Amino acid sequence: QVQLQESGPGLVKPSQTLSLTCNVPGGSISSSSLYWSWIRQPAGKGLEWIGRLYASGETNYNPSLKSRVTISLDTSKNQLSLNLNSVTAADTAVYFCVRGQQPTGLDSWGPGTLVTVSS
Amino acid sequence: DIQMTQSPSSLSASIGDRVTITCRASQDINNYLVWIQQKPGKAPKSLIYAASSLHSGVPSKFSGSGSGTDFTLTISSLQPEDYATYYCQQYKSYPITFGQGTRLEIK
Repeated sequence: QVQLQESGPGLVKPSQTLSLTCNVPGGSISSSSLYWSWIRQPAGKGLEWIGRLYASGETNYNPSLKSRVTISLDTSKNQLSLNLNSVTAADTAVYFCVRGQQPTGLDSWGPGTLVTVSS
Repeated sequence: DIQMTQSPSSLSASIGDRVTITCRASQDINNYLVWIQQKPGKAPKSLIYAASSLHSGVPSKFSGSGSGTDFTLTISSLQPEDYATYYCQQYKSYPITFGQGTRLEIK
């Protein structure tokens, strides 16, 4: 298990951009064998995968969000970032930063951060 | 997208019981399946990967089986700390998808 920690504004206005970061300790963010995902969960509902990124830059996004989402790495800061633009109330959720690798898949979760979209 | 369907959606069981949760994929995912536990107000925790392998530190009371499209999670000798919502998740292909969850409650 690795200790991941999400951070960012808890309140975002409709039509604006949601921006979150995830601190990844120990420099493992650069490992070629790991990938980093964002997953979200609206209150009382299930889990929705947003996308993932390898340190190489390879990305995969959920087609339902692909036109609005960007996931990136800042290896100098050991940070993973999520940008989701043109947000609406439907984007209100707890957002989790998650580590993955083969063959275990997603194996370490951050505690999550609540983002509310409201004017 | 691969659809993951869990059953039951909710389950009531007593302390000491053995319970089984099933997960069905809409297409063959080999064994690219994770089981996840989530307690109220807490982050999810991955329990099992590759359908049947326990993550480090997960007690052996949890077991998983299956391959292809049909999978099961079994929890033996339920204890208070096991009451939670359990999700299955496939990682055979993108987008990664989750089952709708099974809420395990105390009877």
